[in-house]
Amino acid sequence: DAGVTQSPTHLIKTRGQQVTLRCSPKSGHDTVSWYQQALGQGPQFIFQYYEEEERQRGNFPDRFSGHQFPNYSSELNVNALLLGDSALYLCASSDTGGSGSTEAFFGQGTRLTVV
Amino acid sequence: LAKTTQPISMDSYEGQEVNITCSHNNIATNDYITWYQQFPSQGPRFIIQGYKTKVTNEVASLFIPADRKSSTLSLPRVSLSDTAVYYCLVGVNDYKLSFGAGTTVTVRA
Repeated sequence: DAGVTQSPTHLIKTRGQQVTLRCSPKSGHDTVSWYQQALGQGPQFIFQYYEEEERQRGNFPDRFSGHQFPNYSSELNVNALLLGDSALYLCASSDTGGSGSTEAFFGQGTRLTVV
Repeated sequence: LAKTTQPISMDSYEGQEVNITCSHNNIATNDYITWYQQFPSQGPRFIIQGYKTKVTNEVASLFIPADRKSSTLSLPRVSLSDTAVYYCLVGVNDYKLSFGAGTTVTVRA
């Protein structure tokens, strides 16, 4: 059973460019969340997708957008890249069943470097 | 979401028990306490979750006192491979996880 897979693993972009990161959730999971992790800090929640809709959003500008496909896979798009967008981008999948308790499964992440 | 406070770092030696205490004074009645582990350049990995008293699995134990205002993650007989950052999370909201800076645990030979 494949876990959460992300692509690419590493990426180098220039300021002002746009980038698309991809995530395939764990089998059986229907919810995908994206996180940004700067060096030395904990992951910060960007947004969450469920049933192809953005369900929750963290404190990130509109330059960050996403999409979820019918097969539950997801993309994270970042426009007009800034140097400060350099980080590890993590995708986490989960199952919407249940309440109160949760276990999210994370991918290995995509290391984005903006130069 | 309840705010959590945990030590920035802890050092240990192989074979010792490591206990990391997390404070969460504003925990809500329905909140669970969850711990994640993260190795460098990898995503966090779920370790353990509890609501009250004690929970134990093959990796760790989680101790939660009656008032639930704190919790302690216990890692028995650590090895070098347990060197990682450990995050305490409380009050996960529909899987929107709120991570702090975590505790960096360094295990030495």
